[in-house]
Amino acid sequence: NAGVTQTPKFRVLKTGQSMTLLCAQDMNHEYMYWYRQDPGMGLRLIHYSVGEGTTAKGEVPDGYNVSRLKKQNFLLGLESAAPSQTSVYFCASSRDRVKNEQFFGPGTRLTVL
Amino acid sequence: AQKITQTQPGMFVQEKEAVTLDCTYDTSDQSYGLFWYKQPSSGEMIFLIYQGSYDEQNATEGRYSLNFQKARKSANLVISASQLGDSAMYFCAMIKRWGSQGNLIFGKGTKLSVKP
Repeated sequence: NAGVTQTPKFRVLKTGQSMTLLCAQDMNHEYMYWYRQDPGMGLRLIHYSVGEGTTAKGEVPDGYNVSRLKKQNFLLGLESAAPSQTSVYFCASSRDRVKNEQFFGPGTRLTVL
Repeated sequence: AQKITQTQPGMFVQEKEAVTLDCTYDTSDQSYGLFWYKQPSSGEMIFLIYQGSYDEQNATEGRYSLNFQKARKSANLVISASQLGDSAMYFCAMIKRWGSQGNLIFGKGTKLSVKP
């Protein structure tokens, strides 16, 4: 039981390049989330999904797009990377919205030069 | 708007002693949930404890307890008998319990260092 996995673990991009971060969970959770963590800022929600085929904007969605074509996968895309998107990205999933204990992936450290 | 405040950027505690990490929150909702997460230097986020706003008793999970004072809007984490492995960042978070899409609002965290 792997829980929540993220691919890749590290990535360096040049300004203007694009990339996709993959999140996968094997717990059959309905809800999935993408956060970014910046120094001294805690975690901030980028986008989230309440089920297969659905996505919604979080607190800081600009510059990112997401897709949830399969229940177990949640993809985060950067179409044209900017240095301001240098951050650690966490994916999380949860079973329900009542207690909503979220299980986190190990994170992806992204640097945009 | 909902907000989580953690006023202690860093704290030190002696091994085997208890420590309290402060968390205050701001919300106009009557129904909400409060969480604490631990983030060790390896980077993963580990769920520690949960308290619902209508739960009458303070939550406990092993050495972790949540001192919930609803009128003061505080949800402090108490770690008893600190261990060296407790050295980490600790984040307080809040969620609307009902009718919400499940967004967690995080505080900025407290860095706890346990001294041998």
